[in-house]
Amino acid sequence: QVQLQESGPGLVKPSQTLSLTCTVSGGSISTGSYYWSWIRQPAGKGLEWIGRIYTSGSTNYNPSLKSRVTISIDTSKNQFSLKLSSVTAADTAVYYCARERWMGGRYFDSWGQGTLVTVSS
Amino acid sequence: QSVLTQPPSASGTPGQRVTISCSGSSSNIGTNTVNWYQQFPGTALKLLIYTNNQRPSGVPDRFSGSKSGTSASLAISGLQSDDEADYYCAAWDDSLNWVFGGGTKLTVL
Repeated sequence: QVQLQESGPGLVKPSQTLSLTCTVSGGSISTGSYYWSWIRQPAGKGLEWIGRIYTSGSTNYNPSLKSRVTISIDTSKNQFSLKLSSVTAADTAVYYCARERWMGGRYFDSWGQGTLVTVSS
Repeated sequence: QSVLTQPPSASGTPGQRVTISCSGSSSNIGTNTVNWYQQFPGTALKLLIYTNNQRPSGVPDRFSGSKSGTSASLAISGLQSDDEADYYCAAWDDSLNWVFGGGTKLTVL
């Protein structure tokens, strides 16, 4: 069974770049049946999709965040990463990585536990 | 403000049937399938219903989903105390963007 685990700094200063990595175990990130996404959830609020990447490196981003987001993939390490630039307090949230099945239906079938990132000086 | 609209809360007593609604638009629910997720505090989200009404292996048949037009619903029958959680709907939007509901907190009285 595939497992996803987020890692990265829990505290980022305003105006800096937030960087997170998702490590996938129990399955290959190169499998063509899936996209790999980042999703976040501010405390007490709903979920917001940040963007996704395919094994080929092709990406899609949330239009509201597109100018600040970069998602990359490292198939040799079975990892994908998120960079969010020019962060503010509004970017404080629990960040999740998730696997999206796109063949035979479109849904997130596996999620990481989430990691809290606080933006504060 | 979430793109999909859910009631912020729902409640029921053990054994009852509860439904949670999710309202969208023609660019998301109207043309794409709906998924539902369950979240207990401090834990990862779990896929509950996919492709409108399909249950992953291991999800009890007490949980069911439906879709009509630009709205969808999650129904939980035979309500149990450990169903108390947050529930989210999600759908792909034709603007190449996943959209979610704001979540519904289910309380078992």
